[in-house]
Parts: sequence; structure tokens; C-alpha cells
Amino acid sequence: QQPVQSPQAVILREGEDAVINCSSSKALYSVHWYRQKHGEAPVFLMILLKGGEQKGHEKISASFNEKKQQSSLYLTASQLSYSGTYFCGTCQTGANNLFFGTGTRLTVIP
Amino acid sequence: DGGITQSPKYLFRKEGQNVTLSCEQNLNHDAMYWYRQDPGQGLRLIYYSQIVNDFQKGDIAEGYSVSREKKESFPLTVTSAQKNPTAFYLCASSRQLAGGRYEQYFGPGTRLTVT
Repeated sequence: QQPVQSPQAVILREGEDAVINCSSSKALYSVHWYRQKHGEAPVFLMILLKGGEQKGHEKISASFNEKKQQSSLYLTASQLSYSGTYFCGTCQTGANNLFFGTGTRLTVIP
Repeated sequence: DGGITQSPKYLFRKEGQNVTLSCEQNLNHDAMYWYRQDPGQGLRLIYYSQIVNDFQKGDIAEGYSVSREKKESFPLTVTSAQKNPTAFYLCASSRQLAGGRYEQYFGPGTRLTVT
């Protein structure tokens, strides 16, 4: 039930773009994205509902393909503050809780 | 300020002792959750509660117990039966939005070390 995230880690230079993927083998109702800084709690970024919607948060956007049970997080023109571990949390149809992937560690360097 | 508080931030215990982690929220959220995070790992669900006086086991409930006597509070007890209790524990709560959506927010976490 745990979604699979890829890549596991990525290093970017400031200003570069990145894509983080999240896929599930179960029918999903929603996908939630979080960013966690080292030693801190995850911070909610956005939620996507089935229907293929896209959302945006500053220069971070995401999409959800319900047919493929996949979501992608797009980080454009990365900033140093984007560094952290990104988690996707998936909510299956009819469920009341999230299943989290193992995370993607993003490091942005000057 | 509305939010989720967990205390203490760091907790040290001797093996064989039970320990209770506090989680309080003043967001008026109905649902609350407990997760465990190990280094380099994702979040694993321990217990969750949708309403007062009701809770369900998550994926790794063995060795843990919870109570939900008040809407604002969802304490987690790590018992001596938990074989590897050292971890970062995160409490969360969620609010229901229109269209069946819900948003989940996390507290600052408690880092438990058992020696």
C-alpha cells in the first residue's frame, strides 16, 4: 500500500528544475505532498484530487494522473530553500488515512 | 495561535519503561494520527482516531497504545513491549474540506531515545 517515490535522491544547482514521482498500485482518491527539513516535521505543500488536477505553490506544482495512479511534483528554478526530503502521501478510495512513500532527498547547491 | 503541540521535543528513557508522548491540538480537527519515522525512512502509521473515544490500529501498532478522551488530545504510550522504540514520533491532525478532501498537518515531533 506504500507508494513508490523516485528518484530517491537528487542534487540540483540553484535555478535548475526537478521532477519527483509518486506511484501507487492502489486506486487513489488524493495525493498529498509534504517537504521535511532535517530534524523538523513535514510541512504540507498541496493536495491533489483525482481528476487530473494540477496545483501550484510558489514555483512548485504537481499533477495527478488517476488512471495511472501517479503524481508528479515539479520544482522549477530551484532555490536553496527547496532543499529537504519530499514525501508523497496517498489516500486510497474509501480510506481515512495516508500512506507515505520513503521520500526523495533534494539538495540544492549554489 | 492555532496548532499542534508535542512535548517534550527530546525524551530519554531506560529500556523496560513505558513512556507517554503528548499531542495536543487547538485546531478543532476531528481526526488525529501518530506516525513513527526512522532515519532515512518514510512515515509509518501507528494509530489514528477519527472521533473521540474511538481509534484504529495503523500498520505498526504492536507495542503502542493510545487514548482519545478529548478531541484536543491524543497521547501515545510506548510500552516496554515495543522492541525498537528509539525513533522520531510525529503527531498529526486533519480537517475535512468540501468535496471529500482533507488536509493533514503535523506537530513538531518528539525524538525518543531508549537505552
